[in-house]
Amino acid sequence: NAGVTQTPKFQVLKTGQSMTLQCAQDMNHEYMSWYRQDPGMGLRLIHYSVGAGITDQGEVPNGYNVSRSTTEDFPLRLLSAAPSQTSVYFCASSYSGQGQIGANVLTFGAGSRLTVL
Amino acid sequence: GIQVEQSPPDLILQEGANSTLRCNFSDSVNNLQWFHQNPWGQLINLFYIPSGTKQNGRLSATTVATERYSLLYISSSQTTDSGVYFCAVPASGGSYIPTFGRGTSLIVHP
Repeated sequence: NAGVTQTPKFQVLKTGQSMTLQCAQDMNHEYMSWYRQDPGMGLRLIHYSVGAGITDQGEVPNGYNVSRSTTEDFPLRLLSAAPSQTSVYFCASSYSGQGQIGANVLTFGAGSRLTVL
Repeated sequence: GIQVEQSPPDLILQEGANSTLRCNFSDSVNNLQWFHQNPWGQLINLFYIPSGTKQNGRLSATTVATERYSLLYISSSQTTDSGVYFCAVPASGGSYIPTFGRGTSLIVHP
């Protein structure tokens, strides 16, 4: 059981380049989400998904796209990277289940550190 | 959306000291989670505590949902407790996706 796997761990981009951060989970969790962490700002929600084929915007969605074609995968795409997108990105997953132990508890990936020059 | 405020923003302790971290939220919630981010960046869930009190070793948490706050207690702190502590509540009514406070940065000196 690998949990939540994020790749790459580190990436340097030039302004205007595009890239995809990968996130995969093997726990059959229906909920997946992407956060970015900047110094002093905590974690801010970018996009989330409550199941395959369903995505929605979070607090800071501009400049990012997501899709959820399978339960396991939730990639985050940067369309045209900007220096303001320099950050650490975390993917997380959870499952619903009224009263079930562990329901709605987030499991995080190890993070992806992105630098945009 | 719901607002989450954590205090204090920074805390420095000597090993063995006790501390209380606070999380206030602006609307009623049906779940609340506490997380620890270690100095290497790893985020670990400490408690899922929509109401009441839970304990896990030297850590305990209490949520008073009717008064919209939660407390995290750390007793006999150790250097391994250093890091950032976050609380998280659902982003909006009925949401299953948490929104986070800005965290409390804790440094425990030996």
